[in-house]
Amino acid sequence: SQTIHQWPATLVQPVGSPLSLECTVEGTSNPNLYWYRQAAGRGLQLLFYSVGIGQISSEVPQNLSASRPQDRQFILSSKKLLLSDSGFYLCAGIGTGTYEQYFGPGTRLTVT
Amino acid sequence: EDQVTQSPEALRLQEGESSSLNCSYTVSGLRGLFWYRQDPGKGPEFLFTLYSAGEEKEKERLKATLTKKESFLHITAPKPEDSATYLCAVPNNAGNMLTFGGGTRLMVKP
Repeated sequence: SQTIHQWPATLVQPVGSPLSLECTVEGTSNPNLYWYRQAAGRGLQLLFYSVGIGQISSEVPQNLSASRPQDRQFILSSKKLLLSDSGFYLCAGIGTGTYEQYFGPGTRLTVT
Repeated sequence: EDQVTQSPEALRLQEGESSSLNCSYTVSGLRGLFWYRQDPGKGPEFLFTLYSAGEEKEKERLKATLTKKESFLHITAPKPEDSATYLCAVPNNAGNMLTFGGGTRLMVKP
């Protein structure tokens, strides 16, 4: 089964600073990959998904961007963070031949 | 548009008090229904996949069932360690997106 790795686990950044969150996948090849954001006590909001290297779809216009430089690597970025970017960021993946999404441990981002 | 609704939003149980969580869904074609458990500050942990009405899956004190309109997560004799938020989700027709319910926050008191 696949394993999703994310880092860092927690991050505190000032407003206006850049952001880079990394997600890597083990145990499958050519996975669909996803970035979600979860506000405290609320549901999951899909931000980006990718079906392959260099292929990114954005679900919500925002201050963030995503890139997929390698098959098993998915990166979430921002050039200048806003207070509203604070939240819990989750990476997820789907392997070949299944619809089941598996999630990473998440990154808690606090923008101050 | 696919829709998933979970109820109740929060549920408080005494240890040993069995209950059920509900997940109602509206989809154009069911390609599965997933249940996840999420502990505070952690990513959702995959629990079950149900594919067709009448199917049941069990894991320890949890049993998931599926009908054509809803799924239930039955918790038998819960323990405090079962406290978590339980999420259900359904994939879209292409199988590349999930629609999540809002979750049920379960609290089990000793």
